[in-house]
Amino acid sequence: DVKVTQSSRYLVKRTGEKVFLECVQDMDHENMFWYRQDPGLGLRLIYFSYDVKMKEKGDIPEGYSVSREKKERFSLILESASTNQTSMYLCASSSRGSFYSNQPQHFGDGTRLSIL
Amino acid sequence: ILNVEQSPQSLHVQEGDSTNFTCSFPSSNFYALHWYRWETAKSPEALFVMTLNGDEKKKGRISATLNTKEGYSYLYIKGSQPEDSATYLCAFTRGSTLGRLYFGRGTQLTVWP
Repeated sequence: DVKVTQSSRYLVKRTGEKVFLECVQDMDHENMFWYRQDPGLGLRLIYFSYDVKMKEKGDIPEGYSVSREKKERFSLILESASTNQTSMYLCASSSRGSFYSNQPQHFGDGTRLSIL
Repeated sequence: ILNVEQSPQSLHVQEGDSTNFTCSFPSSNFYALHWYRWETAKSPEALFVMTLNGDEKKKGRISATLNTKEGYSYLYIKGSQPEDSATYLCAFTRGSTLGRLYFGRGTQLTVWP
């Protein structure tokens, strides 16, 4: 079974802190994604990565950055945490597959982040 | 940002009822349509990935159909059980952005015993 592990289930940080959310997958997947989920808004893509050291902005990248130094690890960084970044953060991974197929995403359990 | 619409937003049914929800997506440059189930306190779990017009997929009491020409997919649950209570998400992939999904806001299903 694919395992996507997020470093913390719950996290409380203060405004202005630099926050790191870590995600590790064990299936050698090329693609990795960071989402946030807020009530009534569904899953919104923050950043994604198709390969090591490669990153692409999603729909809401402002205030975030990412790092992918190794294939299995994708880190989300809140440069200077603000209260509007209080949310549930989900990491996901998928294999690239062939051009004519499409692979499901496998999700971690999420990190519920509170910024005080 | 591509618009993926799901309806209804929430649904309450009695155990044993059959139910269905709709996902609407842009029909141009279609690549694949995904359905996920997200139970409370768990991670979203893939149910189906469909790529061809007319595709029908089935997993136990849950099935899904796909119409890529008109841009919609239906998810059906036959004989709903309390353990089916979850948020059901659909997501769409465009041909030009392989791997990246555009999610709808989900349908929250509650099945009462």
